[in-house]
Amino acid sequence: EPEVTQTPSHQVTQMGQEVILRCVPISNHLYFYWYRQILGQKVEFLVSFYNNEISEKSEIFDDQFSVERPDGSNFTLKIRSTKLEDSAMYFCASSPGLAGADTQYFGPGTRLTVL
Amino acid sequence: KNEVEQSPQNLTAQEGEFITINCSYSVGISALHWLQQHPGGGIVSLFMLSSGKKKHGRLIATINIQEKHSSLHITASHPRDSAVYICAVPLYGGSQGNLIFGKGTKLSVKP
Repeated sequence: EPEVTQTPSHQVTQMGQEVILRCVPISNHLYFYWYRQILGQKVEFLVSFYNNEISEKSEIFDDQFSVERPDGSNFTLKIRSTKLEDSAMYFCASSPGLAGADTQYFGPGTRLTVL
Repeated sequence: KNEVEQSPQNLTAQEGEFITINCSYSVGISALHWLQQHPGGGIVSLFMLSSGKKKHGRLIATINIQEKHSSLHITASHPRDSAVYICAVPLYGGSQGNLIFGKGTKLSVKP
């Protein structure tokens, strides 16, 4: 069965460094998402991406964050200058259709630790 | 914007018990999602439903659109059902917008 993959599974970085989290969505899906979950808290939406552009973003997704689909398969989340509070699990997801009307398939997550 | 409330926050059951987890939301939607988060952190989509009831194995999800309420039931619970169960709805209601997640219900099933 097709699945969403994410790399790396765990990333440790120093505050102020740039990180890139990578995702490979399911190949025939059209909508891509990034979510984050701070330890012990609920899952929060960051950004959605459709037709090679951002379709929605949350207040969390500020200028430090960017997303890209550099080729036909990868979907990346870049954090330009990491802060301690960026430490969280980051989940990528994809869906065939709109989030509100179609099942989302989640990747296993990348645990980001900012020291 | 939609708001989501789940109850209970924590639930401990004995193996074999019937489990009910509840989810309420504030803005009308066309579909609601139930997700399972494993102890290791991975998230799996269980159901997406827009009306009535759906069943998959020992899991049953129901939704009442008029009352803005959904329930997830687990029949004959088993220790492997231990996980966090999360409901999610479109942020702006309808079928548009992205998902807002509940805080989750942590279920622990004892043998």
